Amino acid sequence: EVQLVESGGGLVQPGGSLKVSCIASGFTFSGSSVHWVRQASGKGLEWVGRTSSKANNYATASAASVRGRFTISRDDSKNTAFLQMNSLKTEDTAVYYCTSPMRDGKWYFDLWGRGTLVTVSS
Amino acid sequence: QSALTQPASVSGSPGQSITISCTGTRSDIGTYNYVSWYQQHPGKAPKVMIYDVSSRPSGVSNRFSGSKSGNTASLTISGLQPEDEADYYCSSHTTTSTWVFGGGTKVTVL
Repeated sequence: EVQLVESGGGLVQPGGSLKVSCIASGFTFSGSSVHWVRQASGKGLEWVGRTSSKANNYATASAASVRGRFTISRDDSKNTAFLQMNSLKTEDTAVYYCTSPMRDGKWYFDLWGRGTLVTVSS
Repeated sequence: QSALTQPASVSGSPGQSITISCTGTRSDIGTYNYVSWYQQHPGKAPKVMIYDVSSRPSGVSNRFSGSKSGNTASLTISGLQPEDEADYYCSSHTTTSTWVFGGGTKVTVL
């Protein structure tokens, strides 16, 4: 089955850290970028960042709102992408979606996971 | 990178056509034909409805169409149906190799 499954969300205190994962199946994970998109309750979608494929040197990019605090990485041997979140703020509370075009050369988010909820609160 | 600008809400009666606009800048929509549109029902993950401005993924109804002029993209839903009631988001690649979404438009079928 073609899918993305996020895990690792939970409750964390302000200033704390959390690492969420995204496991892919059903397509050639190594041949595609992986993106993270978040959505606060009742709010819109916000692009967080991405890791490119090996063919694109695993380049990463991130939104200004998380730059320097969040790090995106991947392990192609495990078909898994990661979002390491440090120095968390209450405004980082959101559902975090993993999404992918499923192959290089596509410039849209074709496959989405169900999301994992991250709550930053004391 | 500021969010793309969409109307907060659009409504229409069954069978009617509605259009949602998405305004960006020369740094995103104005430079790239990589505009996509997503439908999101409550509690669900987004689903791509239009990609590369006007292309439709297999399985998406031909009642959905997209276009672009300058810095503004548009999504048109023709023959509006009750199941089209959802939130819709536009998205674009940017000149800084990031992506940006619109604020979202709530479509109501009257």
